[in-house]
Amino acid sequence: GAGVSQSPSNKVTEKGKDVELRCDPISGHTALYWYRQSLGQGLEFLIYFQGNSAPDKSGLPSDRFSAERTGGSVSTLTIQRTQQEDSAVYLCASSLGSAGGYGYTFGSGTRLTVV
Amino acid sequence: DAKTTQPNSMESNEEEPVHLPCNHSTISGTDYIHWYRQLPSQGPEYVIHGLTSNVNNRMASLAIAEDRKSSTLILHRATLRDAAVYYCILYSGGGADGLTFGKGTHLIIQP
Repeated sequence: GAGVSQSPSNKVTEKGKDVELRCDPISGHTALYWYRQSLGQGLEFLIYFQGNSAPDKSGLPSDRFSAERTGGSVSTLTIQRTQQEDSAVYLCASSLGSAGGYGYTFGSGTRLTVV
Repeated sequence: DAKTTQPNSMESNEEEPVHLPCNHSTISGTDYIHWYRQLPSQGPEYVIHGLTSNVNNRMASLAIAEDRKSSTLILHRATLRDAAVYYCILYSGGGADGLTFGKGTHLIIQP
């Protein structure tokens, strides 16, 4: 597709369950960010991938969070043993490269609700 | 420490130009100035970016001060659809310190 695709668009899960969120970046885009945005709050950095380099995981809030990017394309963000404070919109963004001259395209996000 | 400073909110009338300011006095030579906006209940949207020269695209214009310590995003003719939070970001590369979103400017458009 022409844009960044995220699935599911909405996810309701019970506390303690694991969830997987998917991001399909634009074809050929090597840089990829994950953010989360709680209601009424700003964007919080989670993790960054660039090509085959080791990801910058410094924003992951706990060891319950992990992410991978297979083949330099699709990325999945996994949250284990979900907690109510994990409820937020999870956003993915991709770019042609990591240099400053490239803009990022965002997906529409996955709204996660932990009940 | 925030790398950019923007007003919390601004108000403008529909069909009038809007000038959104951003101060970035500690900008480095490798920092590009990026602008994104976030409409209600949507993900952020890329608007424009530049390094030293003024830039124009179909959405907006970016005016960069000669010393690069400030910039202005110009919406030439605001519509109600332009009501959003506008973020000015200094970006020189990816990672945790890369595309960092502050609080932005909440732009209100009056009909």
